[in-house]
Amino acid sequence: QQPVQSPQAVILREGEDAVINCSSSKALYSVHWYRQKHGEAPVFLMILLKGGEQKGHEKISASFNEKKQQSSLYLTASQLSYSGTYFCGTDDMEYGNKLVFGAGTILRVKS
Amino acid sequence: NAGVTQTPKFQVLKTGQSMTLQCAQDMNHNSMYWYRQDPGMGLRLIYYSASEGTTDKGEVPNGYNVSRLNKREFSLRLESAAPSQTSVYFCASRDGTGIYNEQFFGPGTRLTVL
Repeated sequence: QQPVQSPQAVILREGEDAVINCSSSKALYSVHWYRQKHGEAPVFLMILLKGGEQKGHEKISASFNEKKQQSSLYLTASQLSYSGTYFCGTDDMEYGNKLVFGAGTILRVKS
Repeated sequence: NAGVTQTPKFQVLKTGQSMTLQCAQDMNHNSMYWYRQDPGMGLRLIYYSASEGTTDKGEVPNGYNVSRLNKREFSLRLESAAPSQTSVYFCASRDGTGIYNEQFFGPGTRLTVL
């Protein structure tokens, strides 16, 4: 079952901040965040693990609320290069090693 | 290292034709995946292989078959293509148990079924 992302799309001006949310109806063991530029493959941004560990880019921050089964990605002081589609993926340990992605959030940063 | 490679990059099929999408990775990863991407639907998992010799269905497996040929290669077959299978297909791979490791994606195959 796909996690639910919100908002579906957001438009920012350079320097503005944005938050992208991801929620699941299942217990989350980990949440992954990826960014995809138009016509390209998704690229890894960050992993957040149950228990508080994180692994990812220094300039990207995110949170993971295990009780609410939610994660948020924080994009601060946005740059033109932040434009793209952001996907969250959740690890479903019940089935073992399977990553299921949300529908994506389109972010456009304008100058 | 080439990472994850996919062939072909583009393909046009007629309804009812069959074809195989090829994927290979040179990172010695255990797990491999096939996703399809359609506008507004995100990345939907078709099949995955947690380790060499095993394959499992994902969210949208109907109309597809897969083969994990060896640790490096994971192919996706469309036996009788339908217009609903027009999509961009991404192969991905991941290391170890997976939970602590990111997924690496190939460049994608853009498939059109007429």
